[in-house]
Amino acid sequence: NAGVTQTPKFQVLKTGQSMTLQCAQDMNHEYMSWYRQDPGMGLRLIHYSVGAGITDQGEVPNGYNVSRSTTEDFPLRLLSAAPSQTSVYFCASSYSWGGAGGYTFGSGTRLTVV
Amino acid sequence: EDQVTQSPEALRLQEGESSSLNCSYTVSGLRGLFWYRQDPGKGPEFLFTLYSAGEEKEKERLKATLTKKESFLHITAPKPEDSATYLCAVQARNNNDMRFGAGTRLTVKP
Repeated sequence: NAGVTQTPKFQVLKTGQSMTLQCAQDMNHEYMSWYRQDPGMGLRLIHYSVGAGITDQGEVPNGYNVSRSTTEDFPLRLLSAAPSQTSVYFCASSYSWGGAGGYTFGSGTRLTVV
Repeated sequence: EDQVTQSPEALRLQEGESSSLNCSYTVSGLRGLFWYRQDPGKGPEFLFTLYSAGEEKEKERLKATLTKKESFLHITAPKPEDSATYLCAVQARNNNDMRFGAGTRLTVKP
């Protein structure tokens, strides 16, 4: 089992560029989510999905789009990168929302916007 | 608004020196409180879920406890491999967000 796979691991963007962070899981989990982690702050929820075709906003959704066309994949799109989006991004999944087993996280994408 | 505060921010222990990490929370109806371990450059790894005051969970040298306002992660006789950042998170019954604290960075010296 690969678990949750995120690509790329590192990325440098120029202000105004767009890109997609990829997330795939092979555990047949219904719930998937994207978090960002900044120094001195807790993980903050960007967007989440409770199943294919269903997405919703989290705490910090501005500047990001998501879609969920399959159970396995949950890409995060940065529409026009800004320096404030420099962060480490984590994708997480679980069998269901609020699952007792917690979330399974990917290894993260470290994004720098210059 | 749901809030999670972890203390201390950083903790340095000698190998074998037991201690506790604190997680204070405010949430409108607790669905669950979660503890994770995060190693540098990696994603968080799930440790425990606690649901109600008085509940305890154990795993090797770690024991998590829960009251109505806080949770403790007790580390007994820690080893250098226990060095990591420990994250606490709460989930409310009425929303999909898991709110995380900023974490406690634990260093265990041999």
